[in-house]
Amino acid sequence: GAVVSQHPSRVICKSGTSVKIECRSLDFQATTMFWYRQFPKQSLMLMATSNEGSKATYEQGVEKDKFLINHASLTLSTLTVTSAHPEDSSFYICSARDRGGAMGEAFFGQGTRLTVV
Amino acid sequence: AQSVTQLGSHVSVSEGALVLLRCNYSSSVPPYLFWYVQYPNQGLQLLLKYTSAATLVKGINGFEAEFKKSETSFHLTKPSAHMSDAAEYFCAVSDSGTGNQFYFGTGTSLTVIP
Repeated sequence: GAVVSQHPSRVICKSGTSVKIECRSLDFQATTMFWYRQFPKQSLMLMATSNEGSKATYEQGVEKDKFLINHASLTLSTLTVTSAHPEDSSFYICSARDRGGAMGEAFFGQGTRLTVV
Repeated sequence: AQSVTQLGSHVSVSEGALVLLRCNYSSSVPPYLFWYVQYPNQGLQLLLKYTSAATLVKGINGFEAEFKKSETSFHLTKPSAHMSDAAEYFCAVSDSGTGNQFYFGTGTSLTVIP
């Protein structure tokens, strides 16, 4: 199946700094990528939908100035957590759907464990 | 609007026993339905999907699920549980297409008792 690579897998940063997470589709083109946040023992919460060449669409309650999303190419989307605080510590997962493939399946990155100290 | 409900946040089975994880969906259009598995600190891996073809869908690792429109259900089963099946399982629904988001259930944590 298609591969989505997410980097880094773990990151620890100091409060007040910014962290960038990359999501790449390695062998397919993804017009749309999704960013999720997952708290311990909970389901995935959609944060935003990232569209190549245009602004991301954020879900209600997600601060767009804090979680900056850039989708500069058909294979790369980035999520930047700006001025991180301890409450931003979480597991972040991206996913992408193959624009040229069969409809349906989404492919997920391996996730990024962010810890803000 | 679409949503999924997973009954039972925790399920425990003995090794070799039947695994049954429940998922009910709500959708105003013909749904695409998915089961994903997540191991600790990892992303989600697709187990199987239903996209309006055969109602009984076979997936990886011996899992299968049956789409029952009359019951709006898509329960996941496996005849014989292995220790390696212990993980978090998520049911998800999407309406169709390559650009639309998924709606996930709250997840079911499967424990396999030796």
